[in-house]
This record gives sequence, C-alpha cells and structure tokens, in this order.
Amino acid sequence: SQQGEEDPQALSIQEGENATMNCSYKTSINNLQWYRQNSGRGLVHLILIRSNEREKHSGRLRVTLDTSKKSSSLLITASRAADTASYFCATAPYSYDKVIFGPGTSLSVIP
Amino acid sequence: DGGITQSPKYLFRKEGQNVTLSCEQNLNHDAMYWYRQDPGQGLRLIYYSQIVNDFQKGDIAEGYSVSREKKESFPLTVTSAQKNPTAFYLCASSPKTRQGPNTEAFFGQGTRLTVV
Repeated sequence: SQQGEEDPQALSIQEGENATMNCSYKTSINNLQWYRQNSGRGLVHLILIRSNEREKHSGRLRVTLDTSKKSSSLLITASRAADTASYFCATAPYSYDKVIFGPGTSLSVIP
Repeated sequence: DGGITQSPKYLFRKEGQNVTLSCEQNLNHDAMYWYRQDPGQGLRLIYYSQIVNDFQKGDIAEGYSVSREKKESFPLTVTSAQKNPTAFYLCASSPKTRQGPNTEAFFGQGTRLTVV
C-alpha cells in the first residue's frame, strides 16, 4: 500500500467552514509536504513540515505532524469556493532520495 | 519568468507508436521527476534524475525511457511497450540538497496523453 494515504478521499463543505484532511504514512520521514491540484493542472506546493516540527502555519493553512503516530493533518480555515481542489500529502523518507505522494483528498467547497 | 514547462499540453498517440513528452526548467534545479496520474488517483513515480547524465527508475518505469543530457531538460519517451499509456503526465523539479529532497517540488502543467 501507499507510503502516504490521505483521509477522507472526498470532502464537501459549505463556504466559510473549516476543512480538515489527514495523512498517514508508514516509514520514518525527513519531511512531509502538502500540495494542491486544481482540476487538470499541475501541483502547487502549499507547505513543508520537517520531522522535528509539530505545527506550521501559512495564511489560512495549518499543518500538524505527529511522528509518533506517523500522521499529519492539513486544516484550511474559513474555506472559499476557490479552495476547491485535490490535496495531496507527500513524504520524503530518510531512506529514499525521492518524494512519495498519497492518493489525495478531493475537496469541494460549496458557495 | 522562472518555471517548468511541459509540452505539448495534449498528445494523441496511435497504438504501436513511441511519443516523447518535453520537460524544460530554468530554475537551475538539479533534480527532475516524471510522474503519471490516472483519473482520481495520486501520482506514481516513473523516473527521476538527481544529476545530468544519470537517472533512476521509479515505481512504474516499464515501457518508459528518459534522458538527461542537459540540466534544464528531462524528456520522457512513452514507448510501444507501455500497454496502457493513456494518462496525465507531470514533470517536476527540485533543488538537490545533501540530505535529499528537503525542499518543495515545482510542477509543470502536465501533458494529457491519449491513445487513439
């Protein structure tokens, strides 16, 4: 199975609500990254959190990392219709020189 | 503008043909990657390169080939040996550090390949 797996697979919320997506992984990591993909486009990097960090903020985004549980969460506060996209977590294991992507969470924000 | 450019945006291939997808970056990044994305799924790594004239197979390299003759360019050839090539192909680059992929990856806008 995947190194990183997002949960839920799909999420639908009303504009203004908060959206939370989770990512679980299997091996020890150097860092964990979150990306966003609009339909039919390339991925855009959102935030990177290192293994020695527990929480990181960027604008309306908050990412947490729990290395003991091998999990991360992405919180988008006060969601907007423009946040509608797929969100992927990507892990950089210590033993590899590449980044591994999970299957993603599809977020729909309803105006 | 600095960035990573993939071309073409759409590509149609007849069965039995080889096709080459272009990926160029002017970010001076050492590492470049090719991913395949199928509908509703995540990204699977095809090939990656950390330095010019060197590249490694990813998880699904069969039926694909690459070259890295220049730092800026990392073309992907989808050969006739790839039995199910219809997919969205994404190229990415990142700076290389001593510790590995410690920084963000920059993605192109993708090439959608369809077998007709």
